[in-house]
Amino acid sequence: GESVGLHLPTLSVQEGDNSIINCAYSNSASDYFIWYKQESGKGPQFIIDIRSNMDKRQGQRVTVLLNKTVKHLSLQIAATQPGDSAVYFCAERSGAQKLVFGQGTRLTINP
Amino acid sequence: KAGVTQTPRYLIKTRGQQVTLSCSPISGHRSVSWYQQTPGQGLQFLFEYFSETQRNKGNFPGRFSGRQFSNSRSEMNVSTLELGDSALYLCASSLTAGVNEQYFGPGTRLTVT
Repeated sequence: GESVGLHLPTLSVQEGDNSIINCAYSNSASDYFIWYKQESGKGPQFIIDIRSNMDKRQGQRVTVLLNKTVKHLSLQIAATQPGDSAVYFCAERSGAQKLVFGQGTRLTINP
Repeated sequence: KAGVTQTPRYLIKTRGQQVTLSCSPISGHRSVSWYQQTPGQGLQFLFEYFSETQRNKGNFPGRFSGRQFSNSRSEMNVSTLELGDSALYLCASSLTAGVNEQYFGPGTRLTVT
């Protein structure tokens, strides 16, 4: 499959545990944030988004937390499954500007 | 509804050549964005097109260009290929401009030798 990053930070979790993937963003003017999941050989897949007027948003098994004070974003995945193995990217946008992606975190699931 | 499709999926070119990549967005989507993904630089924005007009452009040299057709399909072209242009080129579509919920295609893997 495709190699999306040879030196990505890696998070290893046990199957069934909760995963927390962190992201520090750079632009204090960013008002929209997205988490993407990229599996080997595929393009990024939208997971969840959040606007800057919120600090928490929940989806199916996923929660995104936004802390604007320290410019930090996190993605929590509940009851991690083997199919969650992928590279996870956060992305930020300010107004009508381009989307800026973080470097990504590789999540591996231990059986 | 069919997803974003990109052609070709794999391509090998020689330095100095040019290449054209194609992207068909999800039906009804009018905005198309292009990204370059490499192990060293990650995902980098190339440009965004909406209603046949380039709306945003990333920090890439003029060798990288694109266009969008009236049916929202988009092409990107890279001229005078360099070894460093080897990358996965991703296309993403969204309903409108402004890059909200984007849907990515599988990418075109370009290798320059």
